[in-house]
Amino acid sequence: EPEVTQTPSHQVTQMGQEVILRCVPISNHLYFYWYRQILGQKVEFLVSFYNNEISEKSEIFDDQFSVERPDGSNFTLKIRSTKLEDSAMYFCARTTGGGASDTQYFGPGTRLTVL
Amino acid sequence: AQKITQTQPGMFVQEKEAVTLDCTYDTSDPSYGLFWYKQPSSGEMIFLIYQGSYDQQNATEGRYSLNFQKARKSANLVISASQLGDSAMYFCAIGIAGGTSYGKLTFGQGTILTVHP
Repeated sequence: EPEVTQTPSHQVTQMGQEVILRCVPISNHLYFYWYRQILGQKVEFLVSFYNNEISEKSEIFDDQFSVERPDGSNFTLKIRSTKLEDSAMYFCARTTGGGASDTQYFGPGTRLTVL
Repeated sequence: AQKITQTQPGMFVQEKEAVTLDCTYDTSDPSYGLFWYKQPSSGEMIFLIYQGSYDQQNATEGRYSLNFQKARKSANLVISASQLGDSAMYFCAIGIAGGTSYGKLTFGQGTILTVHP
């Protein structure tokens, strides 16, 4: 199955700035997820999104984070005021079903560097 | 809460030999899925193989097979006939669904596999 695409591939920003990471899925995808991976560490769940609403979020996903699907296609993750510790690889994943058996296919990721 | 434990930070294998990467899991949900992903140095996450909690047979996908021992809560990945291109980080993950959860994945710490020529 085709994967999602993510833009940009790499973003460098200053601490305190807002960043928007984009995920472009295939139109029939219903379930979307954001994960992050701090360099050298494991992949961590941030948020899941179904039917244009957040279905679940982790404790990492605090008020600094938001997700939306502004135009019905692109799926965005916004970090309002970036911190140094937000530096990580951010992955968007999608699946056609939200069950335990539905494989999540990951996009190539956006590497965020906060200076 | 779910937990994945990968106890091997690094593994080495000779080209053309088989290697087993360990994964144990913990969950109270009776229905779950176990996944393995490969992450090469380029950074992308590549899906390899899936095993469902109710599957009676071990999953296989080409050179990858999953040694699923439910009573021991282990889901080890076996790579046969290793190739140089198999050198990468490998992550085990568990997915659950139900209630407010829509299949989020919980990952282990990963195992770095190095294949020697």
